[in-house]
Amino acid sequence: NAGVTQTPKFQVLKTGQSMTLQCAQDMNHEYMSWYRQDPGMGLRLIHYSVGAGITDQGEVPNGYNVSRSTTEDFPLRLLSAAPSQTSVYFCASSLTGGYQPQHFGDGTRLSIL
Amino acid sequence: DAKTTQPPSMDCAEGRAANLPCNHSTISGNEYVYWYRQIHSQGPQYIIHGLKNNETNEMASLIITEDRKSSTLILPHATLRDTAVYYCIVRVQAGANNLFFGTGTRLTVIP
Repeated sequence: NAGVTQTPKFQVLKTGQSMTLQCAQDMNHEYMSWYRQDPGMGLRLIHYSVGAGITDQGEVPNGYNVSRSTTEDFPLRLLSAAPSQTSVYFCASSLTGGYQPQHFGDGTRLSIL
Repeated sequence: DAKTTQPPSMDCAEGRAANLPCNHSTISGNEYVYWYRQIHSQGPQYIIHGLKNNETNEMASLIITEDRKSSTLILPHATLRDTAVYYCIVRVQAGANNLFFGTGTRLTVIP
């Protein structure tokens, strides 16, 4: 059981480049989300999804797009990377809503030059 | 969701109990208290949650005061592997399962 898998683990981009951060889970979880964590700070919610075909914005959605075509996958897209998006990105999943504990991936460390 | 206040850092001797406090004075009746921890920049790990009764699992105990305005996470026998940032989060147990993290308490377990 792999849990929540994020790829890549590290990435360096130039300003203006685009890329997709991948997140996959094999637990049949309906809820998935993306967070970013800047140095010395807690995690902030970017986007989330309560099921395939349904996405919504979190606390800091600007500059990011998401889609949820399958239950297993929830990719995060940066259309035009900016230095302010340098951060560590975490994907999480859980059974539908409520009190269910969230399972986090190991993160993607992204640097924008 | 109610805001929480935690001390920025704490130390604990290895083998002793670690007691991590959290203040949530504006908590409402339908909000639960959750604890997660983050070990060395790994993804956060769920520890425990509760509403008003004390809770215990294989990792920790959660003590919530009678007025629910504060709580304490107890690691009964801290080990070096418990060194981490501990986050106390308050949220309703309904709707999307979104978590709002503060800056947490950095617990250092000392040999």
